[in-house]
Amino acid sequence: EAEVAQSPRYKITEKSQAVAFWCDPISGHATLYWYRQILGQGPELLVQFQDESVVDDSQLPKDRFSAERLKGVDSTLKIQPAELGDSAMYLCASSLNRRYEQYFGPGTRLTVT
Amino acid sequence: KQEVTQIPAALSVPEGENLVLNCSFTDSAIYNLQWFRQDPGKGLTSLLLIQSSQREQTSGRLNASLDKSSGRSTLYIAASQPGDSATYLCAVRHQAGTALIFGKGTTLSVSS
Repeated sequence: EAEVAQSPRYKITEKSQAVAFWCDPISGHATLYWYRQILGQGPELLVQFQDESVVDDSQLPKDRFSAERLKGVDSTLKIQPAELGDSAMYLCASSLNRRYEQYFGPGTRLTVT
Repeated sequence: KQEVTQIPAALSVPEGENLVLNCSFTDSAIYNLQWFRQDPGKGLTSLLLIQSSQREQTSGRLNASLDKSSGRSTLYIAASQPGDSATYLCAVRHQAGTALIFGKGTTLSVSS
């Protein structure tokens, strides 16, 4: 069964360092989402892509976060510089298209020290 | 702004009990509602998706209902098992093409 892949699964970084996460959606899925989940909370959308275009990045802290999906397939989420408050689970999800069910990857657990 | 609330935040039951998890949302104009399961430190697994025109969905021991007019959904788990222990998240989609808005989840513990 096809799955959303994410790497790394765990990342520990020091405050002010740069960090990057990678997501490979299910093959053929045009829509890709990045969510952030703080411990004890529900996930919240950071950015949504339709193919290579950003559809919604209204909640993305653009002074430090960036996201790209250059060829409309895999995607990278970057944080620079990382802050203590960025410690969270970063979840990637994909769907066949914007109207369809989202499938989630295993997530990347980020700890900023 | 849509808000999703899940009650209770935590629930402990003995094995074999039937139980109900509650989800409420403030804006009844939703496109669909989805229930997820999340094991500690893991990603989300979709359990059931209910379209706005539907009243309920069933999968095995799980049954989810939707009452759009009152802004409520319930997830019913029959004959609970220790393997059901996890956090259950409810999420709504306001319009087709928009992202999911999640509640904070209910953490379920089933003891043997």
